[in-house]
Amino acid sequence: GENVEQHPSTLSVQEGDSAVIKCTYSDSASNYFPWYKQELGKRPQLIIDIRSNVGEKKDQRIAVTLNKTAKHFSLHITETQPEDSAVYFCAANRDDKIIFGKGTRLHILP
Amino acid sequence: DTGVSQNPRHKITKRGQNVTFRCDPISEHNRLYWYRQTLGQGPEFLTYFQNEAQLEKSRLLSDRFSAERPKGSFSTLEIQRTEQGDSAMYLCASSLTSGANIQYFGAGTRLSVL
Repeated sequence: GENVEQHPSTLSVQEGDSAVIKCTYSDSASNYFPWYKQELGKRPQLIIDIRSNVGEKKDQRIAVTLNKTAKHFSLHITETQPEDSAVYFCAANRDDKIIFGKGTRLHILP
Repeated sequence: DTGVSQNPRHKITKRGQNVTFRCDPISEHNRLYWYRQTLGQGPEFLTYFQNEAQLEKSRLLSDRFSAERPKGSFSTLEIQRTEQGDSAMYLCASSLTSGANIQYFGAGTRLSVL
């Protein structure tokens, strides 16, 4: 089955700097890669997603890249702000089932 | 509120008791998923429904767990003879079959087994 690895588990960046979270997946048939943000005590919320026929997608300060050959995908957050502090999960979807990574706790330092 | 709704939000029970959780998906969504999330981990897939049909169950779903979606709308997840290891957040998500499998999550039910 699919396995999603996510790194780092914790990331601290200065406010205004960029943050990068990286994931790998194992099943080459996976074709949809969502990213979720989960604040403490809240539900996971979709922040951006990418399909396997696209290499990059951007939405304001957030971008995601996908390398199908290497089975890597990454989340990039630029100009980080305090409200970006949360746990971020990458995920891979195959056959209607989404497998999540273990999450990255992002701390934005003042 | 047109989002995914879960009840109760919190449940405290004694080991050995049965518990049941409810999930109301977004009204037009025909797919419904159950996940379990423990501290410091991502959501782990348990099972999912397309309309009333249960299409897949994870090996994590022991025979003490059962899920139903009798009319293809709301779903229930029952845990029988609860164990301390069942303590977790149980999340429900829903999506449409067509197009992207964008899953929208409920706020979850936090289960504590004493």
